[in-house]
Amino acid sequence: GAGVSQSPSNKVTEKGKDVELRCDPISGHTALYWYRQSLGQGLEFLIYFQGNSAPDKSGLPSDRFSAERTGGSVSTLTIQRTQQEDSAVYLCASSSAGHGGSPLHFGNGTRLTVT
Amino acid sequence: QQPVQSPQAVILREGEDAVINCSSSKALYSVHWYRQKHGEAPVFLMILLKGGEQKGHEKISASFNEKKQQSSLYLTASQLSYSGTYFCGTVYSGGGADGLTFGKGTHLIIQP
Repeated sequence: GAGVSQSPSNKVTEKGKDVELRCDPISGHTALYWYRQSLGQGLEFLIYFQGNSAPDKSGLPSDRFSAERTGGSVSTLTIQRTQQEDSAVYLCASSSAGHGGSPLHFGNGTRLTVT
Repeated sequence: QQPVQSPQAVILREGEDAVINCSSSKALYSVHWYRQKHGEAPVFLMILLKGGEQKGHEKISASFNEKKQQSSLYLTASQLSYSGTYFCGTVYSGGGADGLTFGKGTHLIIQP
C-alpha cells in the first residue's frame, strides 16, 4: 500500500515569505507527527496529532509555526515569515495507534531552503 | 526533554558487535529504535513497551529496563548494511505530552 506522502519534496523560498508543507498519512493511521531535521542533526519534535484530541504543540519553536490536520487525515505545516534558520528537512510520520504504541512510518520529507 | 544516547559514534569491523544505549530522566511508557541512512527517511527497527512487550524485526534485539528508564539496542555480527545513524525515541508515562521525542542519534560505521 501507499506510504506517507509529503509535498513538495523541495522548496526554496525567500526570507520573510510564508510556506505550507503537506503530509498525506497512511490511510487509517490515527497518529501524525511532524519533525524537523537540520543538516547532520537529530530529529526535533514539532507537533503530534492523535485522533480528535487536542494536538501536542510543545515542540513548535515559535509562533511563526503552526499545523493543522483536517478530517483526521491530511496535515499542513505552515511557517510564516520564514527565516534562514528554518532551513531544514521537515519529516512527517504516521502511526496506527497513538501514545507511541505502534511504529512510526516516515515520509521522505520536504527539504526547505530559505534564501 | 529528549533521551540521551551513547555512544555518539561507533566504528566497527564487519562481524563485530555493538551496543547502543538510551536513557531518560523520566518514567517511560515506550522506547522506539530507528535507523536512518544518509539522505533517507528513518526506518523502524523496534518498539519496547512498559510491561515487557516488544515489537520489531527478528534480527534486532533490545532491552528495556523500566526501573532505570534505560534501553539498549544490540547489533550482533554486524554487516555493512547496518551502517547509519540510530535514533531512540521515547514516550513518557503518566499522561501529559504524548509526542515521541528522539535522542541526538548514534552514528555507526561498519568497515569491511
